[in-house]
This record gives sequence, C-alpha cells and structure tokens, in this order.
Amino acid sequence: QSVLTQPPSVSAAPGQKVTISCSGGSSNIGNNYVSWYQQFPGTAPKLLIYESNKRPSGIPDRFSGSKSGTSATLGITGLQTGDEADYYCGTWDNSLSGYVFGTGTKVTVL
Amino acid sequence: EVQLVESGGGLVQPGGSLRLSCAASGFTFSSYWMSWVRQAPGKGPEWVANINQDGSAKHYVDSVKGRFTISRDNAKNSLYLQMNSLRAEDTAAYYCATNNGDNWGLGTLVTVSS
Repeated sequence: QSVLTQPPSVSAAPGQKVTISCSGGSSNIGNNYVSWYQQFPGTAPKLLIYESNKRPSGIPDRFSGSKSGTSATLGITGLQTGDEADYYCGTWDNSLSGYVFGTGTKVTVL
Repeated sequence: EVQLVESGGGLVQPGGSLRLSCAASGFTFSSYWMSWVRQAPGKGPEWVANINQDGSAKHYVDSVKGRFTISRDNAKNSLYLQMNSLRAEDTAAYYCATNNGDNWGLGTLVTVSS
C-alpha cells in the first residue's frame, strides 16, 4: 500500500484540462521534491516533471506540476488522445529512507 | 544518446537466485546515483534500491532487505542487482534507471514460480 494517494482515474474530452492529485505527508511530499511519470502499457515510465514543477527537455508545456504542503498536482492542458496513459507521482520518503511511487491514475480521453 | 540495457532476468524457482545487470552508455555513469525499480504485472512501479556514485551508500525497500544487494562497477559502466531467496511476489519487470528518473532501461522480466 503506497504512502502517496492518487485518484484511480480522471477523464476529459480532447482539448480540455485534467488535474491529478498526489497526497502524501510530511515525511515525503512535505519535505521533498515530487516527480511525475507517464507510462504506456508494456513500456518503462517516462519522466514528465521533476523538482515538483520543472519539465525535462522535450516535454511539452501542456504538462505542469505544482506542490503545496503535503500534496502535489499534475496538470495536463489541451488533452490529446495520445495522453491516454497511467500517471504516477513519486518522491523520497525520509521516514522510510526510500523512494515511493503514488497509487497511479489512469487518464482517459473521452 | 543515453542507453540503459538490463539483462539477467528469467524463470527461477522460489528460494532461488538471479543476478541482474544493467549496461549504461551515453553519459558519465560514475557521476550518477542509480536505481532499480520493479513493476509486477498489472501493478504500479515499486522502487527497489538505489546506490550512490561510488557505491558507499545504498538504500533498499523493506521487502527486499537482507535478500537483494545492489552494486556497481564504474569501470564497466554497469549496475547490478543480486537477488537471493526469491519469492513469488518478486515476479516483475525490473528496470534500471538513473536516480533522478530521467532515464530508464527497457526492463528485464523476472518470474519466480515452481
């Protein structure tokens, strides 16, 4: 059971916006940067956001990240069919001395 | 171009051992913390272990402590995961990744079954 909680699924029409929440605690999100990953079936996760709000080169600015207290949020604007995937948050947990991933959110484009 | 290529997966009986390898290229391997992450069928990713640049610091998820050992050989640009006392719940695709998550291998499948 993960210490980071995400909604199981979110959905929206093409062109619309979705947000995915990631709820944690003081030992993880509250005191560490958050990363976000996109994963398609049968492939490795891909880094979308690092240090809570930064995008690696090549990641479109439709993807954004924010953090407040012990929660983080991934936003996807201008939703495209190619965005249908599973999304995971992740961060270091100081109490566990280990990295933790969120429970995952499936994005569906209606 | 950064490349991480895992090998060493396969079918093993419960209680058995496997050694996974990850060959790195395209970046200065010795400058990076490295991680192993696994993903069981139909489940989300689970971080397994990481190791610092010179191998002097290592962390493990509780479920593998005492059974798995992460190591590296910077001269060979390689990362390893020695897995002992394997259990059915260790069945997963195992990925090698840079610790910051920006580069991942394609994974190698480990199946623990009798």
